[in-house]
Amino acid sequence: EAGVTQSPTHLIKTRGQQATLRCSPISGHTSVYWYQQALGLGLQFLLWYDEGEERNRGNFPPRFSGRQFPNYSSELNVNALELEDSALYLCASSIPGTVNTEAFFGQGTRLTVV
Amino acid sequence: EDQVTQSPEALRLQEGESSSLNCSYTVSGLRGLFWYRQDPGKGPEFLFTLYSAGEEKEKERLKATLTKKESFLHITAPKPEDSATYLCAVGPTQKLVFGQGTRLTINP
Repeated sequence: EAGVTQSPTHLIKTRGQQATLRCSPISGHTSVYWYQQALGLGLQFLLWYDEGEERNRGNFPPRFSGRQFPNYSSELNVNALELEDSALYLCASSIPGTVNTEAFFGQGTRLTVV
Repeated sequence: EDQVTQSPEALRLQEGESSSLNCSYTVSGLRGLFWYRQDPGKGPEFLFTLYSAGEEKEKERLKATLTKKESFLHITAPKPEDSATYLCAVGPTQKLVFGQGTRLTINP
């Protein structure tokens, strides 16, 4: 069974540009989560999507946004990139409906802003 | 606000030398305690979920335990391939709060 897949693996952007990161969840998982892991910081919750809707977001500015498609895949968009946005962006998925089910992570997209 | 603190930050062991990693948490109501393993440049790999105080789970050389205030990840007779960063997080699944991790190095 395929796990959570993310693309691209690496992305280099210039400050002020926009970045788009993609995620395909495990088959049967409808919830998708995005996390940021910056150097020296732990994983920080960014966004939660379920059934095509944004359900919750973490303490990040509005230039971090995304969407979920009918096939449950998801995009994370980061506008007006800043140097401190350089990080590993991780996508995770889980089955819906319970608060303590396992979330499975993809391998991440390494975003570098220069 | 939920908080998770892991200790130590880094731990070096010799192959076969058993030890424990600590995860202390402060939450308004525990909705799952999760352990993950993360290799450099990779995404976290799920290890265990613990739901209530007194619960224990085992997988190969790893055993996770849970009390009302903390969780331990016990590593018995570790091998070099157990070298990784071990992360713990508290639920809910929909908004996990992670600790900073313990970077474990097993020397052959």
